[in-house]
Amino acid sequence: GAGVSQSPSNKVTEKGKDVELRCDPISGHTALYWYRQSLGQGLEFLIYFQGNSAPDKSGLPSDRFSAERTGGSVSTLTIQRTQQEDSAVYLCASSNIHYEQYFGPGTRLTVT
Amino acid sequence: DQQVKQNSPSLSVQEGRISILNCDYTNSMFDYFLWYKKYPAEGPTFLISISSIKDKNEDGRFTVFLNKSAKHLSLHIVPSQPGDSAVYFCAASAASGTYKYIFGTGTRLKVLA
Repeated sequence: GAGVSQSPSNKVTEKGKDVELRCDPISGHTALYWYRQSLGQGLEFLIYFQGNSAPDKSGLPSDRFSAERTGGSVSTLTIQRTQQEDSAVYLCASSNIHYEQYFGPGTRLTVT
Repeated sequence: DQQVKQNSPSLSVQEGRISILNCDYTNSMFDYFLWYKKYPAEGPTFLISISSIKDKNEDGRFTVFLNKSAKHLSLHIVPSQPGDSAVYFCAASAASGTYKYIFGTGTRLKVLA
């Protein structure tokens, strides 16, 4: 069956621009997670959705980062006024069981 | 401060031999651990898990060992196959029911044919 998909796969943007990253989870998965992996670092938790609500946004690094999920399905991570330190691979995962998270291929964001 | 550490960024092993990937953690509250495997241009895939009530969990060629006193876990792959070449991440959490895992930086395994 279809796995988690993310778009775009690569995004190059100029510093100061806004970007939107999209995640399509596996159909029927109630939980959705966003992570990012900066160069040389492990996966860093950003936000968790259960259905359309986000009980835990504690990992979002600043108020320039926001995320929403609609219809219990697609999620969008928005980064406003991008900075060079935002350059990373952004990974989305979905699951029905927290320890079996199914990851998408990620979006590689480069801020120039 | 990295709570989960994978100190070897890379490892090369001959096909058929054992691969041992190591992971150390600092938080004594961690009691559930995962290993994920990641191929290039793909997301990580869940491989195997272990709870702190066990010291070993086995699944086919993959075995995870947990040494709670040393705050150390390891993933053994035997026999190693070229298709095992990937980046391996360990992750830890304070409860099996939690969603928030702390991931290590990964170890790139290369299995030589």
